[in-house]
Amino acid sequence: ETGVTQSPTHLIKTRGQQVTLRCSSQSGHNTVSWYQQALGQGPQFIFQYYREEENGRGNFPPRFSGLQFPNYSSELNVNALELDDSALYLCASSFTRGRNEQFFGPGTRLTVL
Amino acid sequence: AQTVTQSQPEMSVQEAETVTLSCTYDTSESDYYLFWYKQPPSRQMILVIRQEAYKQQNATENRFSVNFQKAAKSFSLKISDSQLGDAAMYFCAYRSALLDNNAGNMLTFGGGTRLMVKP
Repeated sequence: ETGVTQSPTHLIKTRGQQVTLRCSSQSGHNTVSWYQQALGQGPQFIFQYYREEENGRGNFPPRFSGLQFPNYSSELNVNALELDDSALYLCASSFTRGRNEQFFGPGTRLTVL
Repeated sequence: AQTVTQSQPEMSVQEAETVTLSCTYDTSESDYYLFWYKQPPSRQMILVIRQEAYKQQNATENRFSVNFQKAAKSFSLKISDSQLGDAAMYFCAYRSALLDNNAGNMLTFGGGTRLMVKP
C-alpha cells in the first residue's frame, strides 16, 4: 500500500509568482486536505476536497485554490505569492470525510523570496 | 470556532522515564475527536493516539496514553518508558464530529510541544 506522497520536496519562488504543489493520496482514499504549517507553529487548515469538489475551507484568501482529479490526487495552487506564504505545506488523505484517520504526506517546503 | 492550546513549548525527559504533555481546547460542541500527532524532524506527521469525546474511557496505545477530562476540556498525553525515538514535535488536534459544515473534517492544531529525550 502506497502512502501519501507530495512533490516537490522543496521549492523557492519570488514574491508575485504562482506555484503548484501536488499530492497523491493513499490508495483507496477519496478525501484530501491541505494544511499550511509556518515555522514553529501548528498546521492550519486550508481546504479539503471530497470526490473532486471543495468540501470545506479555512481562513485563507481566494488566491489559494485547489483541484482534485478522478484518481483523487490533488493540487494546491497559490497565486500572487507573498513572503508570508513561506511554509511547509502538508497534504493529508482519508477514506470518506468521516471519522477515519487522516494520513499525512511528508510536505513541501515553500520559500518565497 | 474551536481553539487548541499547548502551554508547554518544550519538554525534556530522561530516557526510560515518563513525561506528560498538556493540551486544552475550547469548543461548544458535544461530539468531537481529539488526537495527538507526532512530527519528527523528517516532517511527516504521524498519528499517535485518538480519543472520541463520547467515550469516557481514556485511549491507550502501547506506551502512549491520554488523560481526557471532558468537563475541563483537557487532553494530556502520557509517554511511558520514553525512548530516544520519541524525540519530536507533538501536536494536539481537534476535529468536529459534524460532517455537514463548511469545514469538512478539518483538524485544528495546537502550537506544538517539542519533546527532547536525554540518554
